[in-house]
Amino acid sequence: KQEVTQIPAALSVPEGENLVLNCSFTDSAIYNLQWFRQDPGKGLTSLLLIQSSQREQTSGRLNASLDKSSGRSTLYIAASQPGDSATYLCAVRTYNTDKLIFGTGTRLQVFP
Amino acid sequence: GAGVSQTPSNKVTEKGKYVELRCDPISGHTALYWYRQSLGQGPEFLIYFQGTGAADDSGLPNDRFFAVRPEGSVSTLKIQRTERGDSAVYLCASSPDQGYGYTFGSGTRLTVV
Repeated sequence: KQEVTQIPAALSVPEGENLVLNCSFTDSAIYNLQWFRQDPGKGLTSLLLIQSSQREQTSGRLNASLDKSSGRSTLYIAASQPGDSATYLCAVRTYNTDKLIFGTGTRLQVFP
Repeated sequence: GAGVSQTPSNKVTEKGKYVELRCDPISGHTALYWYRQSLGQGPEFLIYFQGTGAADDSGLPNDRFFAVRPEGSVSTLKIQRTERGDSAVYLCASSPDQGYGYTFGSGTRLTVV
């Protein structure tokens, strides 16, 4: 059974810092991995999607890497800003199903 | 539409009542998903539609929960005899097809009192 873990559960940093959020999964036979952002009381916004054949994806200040063999993904946020404050969720999809399995998220606060 | 639309955004109901939650996916998206998110947790899968048919309903917690997508676009999640434990945010997502990324709606916050 696929399980997804995210650490840390919460993170509070001053503006400008570079951050690394971690996601690990127990079954390496994944189809893809997706990082989402969730603002309080809101739905999920897709940030980056990494297919199983890819090692990383970049969008602006965000970079996500994928190491299937070790069951890990990291989301790197460069030069963090207060507007980055949100909960970040990773989710994996395995080959034998079309559903996403989510981690419990990392709650990020960036203060000025 | 431009995004996934869910209505209502908030629903308060009494224990034992019946509720319907609606999802309008992005036009042309064949895949539609329902998830449930409890406070402090990640979303949990409920059911997935490919076109009009439920391709995977393994996440529905019990037979009080049912979902339909009769014309392959709008979907309705139906909950009978609601219980306080059903209180959560119900999220809908759509995708052009399998293997593509999801677009989520803003969710319906259901509170059972």
